Amino acid sequence: QVQLQESGPGLVKPSQTLSLTCTVSGGSISSGGYYWSWIRQHPGKGLEWIGYIYNSGYIYNSGNTYYNPSLKSRVTMSIDTSQNQFSLKVNSMTAADTAVYYCARGAKFSTSSGFSIGLGYWGQGTLVTVSS
Amino acid sequence: SYELTQPPSVSVSPGQTAIITCSGDKLGDKYTCWYQQKPGQSPVLVIYHDSRRPSGIPERFSGYNSGNTATLTISGTQAMDEADYYCQAWDSSTGDFGTGTKVTVL
Repeated sequence: QVQLQESGPGLVKPSQTLSLTCTVSGGSISSGGYYWSWIRQHPGKGLEWIGYIYNSGYIYNSGNTYYNPSLKSRVTMSIDTSQNQFSLKVNSMTAADTAVYYCARGAKFSTSSGFSIGLGYWGQGTLVTVSS
Repeated sequence: SYELTQPPSVSVSPGQTAIITCSGDKLGDKYTCWYQQKPGQSPVLVIYHDSRRPSGIPERFSGYNSGNTATLTISGTQAMDEADYYCQAWDSSTGDFGTGTKVTVL
């Protein structure tokens, strides 16, 4: 059974960079083919897609990234196959970034007319508060 | 970003059918997923690619997408289905979520 677990600071000061890590167990990131995703949820609000990093499994591929355009200028995602982890960095944090941050594993389903990526496995989420 | 609008709330009696809508410009040209989130828990995928159910999801959950609206239908709604539901649309490698709908089973 695949499990994901977020880790990182619960409190970040304004203007600082948030660094979160998602550790995957029960499956290997290096096998490729999945879309390792980050989603956040502001307190009492809806879900916001942050982006994903896709690992093809090819040894020389460090991962292709796709970000929410509204966050793209501040977000970086990466994969560490040796640790079976993937990470999220968000710079220039403000109070508006206070949220529960989730990591998830996505599987792509394609037909001739398009695709969807179902996020079938989620971490439990970690609350990040931005405050001085 | 792409806007997806859902009704804030839907109420349904046990055993009846709940229909949750998700509206967006030419949404039928994209593919949608639906997630169920209960209080204090992580979301659970209930529908992907408009109408496909992941293994373990009951048959009472079904989805459809056409025109500007996608729908999630819960047939024979049970008390355990009370939760928030979110649609998500995929296009050009971005996946925007809808505003969310709280389903109350009265």
